[in-house]
Amino acid sequence: AQSVTQPDIHITVSEGASLELRCNYSYGATPYLFWYVQSPGQGLQLLLKYFSGDTLVQGIKGFEAEFKRSQSSFNLRKPSVHWSDAAEYFCAVGPSYGNKLVFGAGTILRVKS
Amino acid sequence: KAGVTQTPRYLIKTRGQQVTLSCSPISGHRSVSWYQQTPGQGLQFLFEYFSETQRNKGNFPGRFSGRQFSNSRSEMNVSTLELGDSALYLCASSQGLAGESGELFFGEGSRLTVL
Repeated sequence: AQSVTQPDIHITVSEGASLELRCNYSYGATPYLFWYVQSPGQGLQLLLKYFSGDTLVQGIKGFEAEFKRSQSSFNLRKPSVHWSDAAEYFCAVGPSYGNKLVFGAGTILRVKS
Repeated sequence: KAGVTQTPRYLIKTRGQQVTLSCSPISGHRSVSWYQQTPGQGLQFLFEYFSETQRNKGNFPGRFSGRQFSNSRSEMNVSTLELGDSALYLCASSQGLAGESGELFFGEGSRLTVL
């Protein structure tokens, strides 16, 4: 069955520092991969997506992610974190059985000044 | 373009009662998915409706049900509420099936507290 693992439940980085959030997936074929962000009290917002082609994808808010098939990973990166980036980040893979999206457990990002 | 609208935003119920939550998708979107979010379980998929038909269902008991209307608006119902049903219920819309397009647009959620 398809699955998504986000190994880090919490991550704390200093404002201005670089960020990498990890995502590993299990999928039988070429997956569709996504990163979503959820700010406190809000719904989820799509940051970026990978369907095919260039393995480095750019998203909104200065985020990027790299698809590495050999490592079954789709890590999210940002070169310089801002305090407003503090939120929970979810990795997702699809389509799974029945065309569902499967979400990871999320990583909570804290930004310290 | 208006986003996904969920009502009510907050509600408090007691055990045994039932609740209905509403979701209005983005205009033109035909798919509505529902998720339950709790601190312990994360995002759990409830069901997805596309063109008034349930296309996918998660592993929730029959107390959880939903429907979609011809204008794509969706409702979910939880009967015989239990304390463990306290959660943020998120609705998401997409143009096509969620797993095909992947680009879900989420509402802000309905926070249900069961006492």
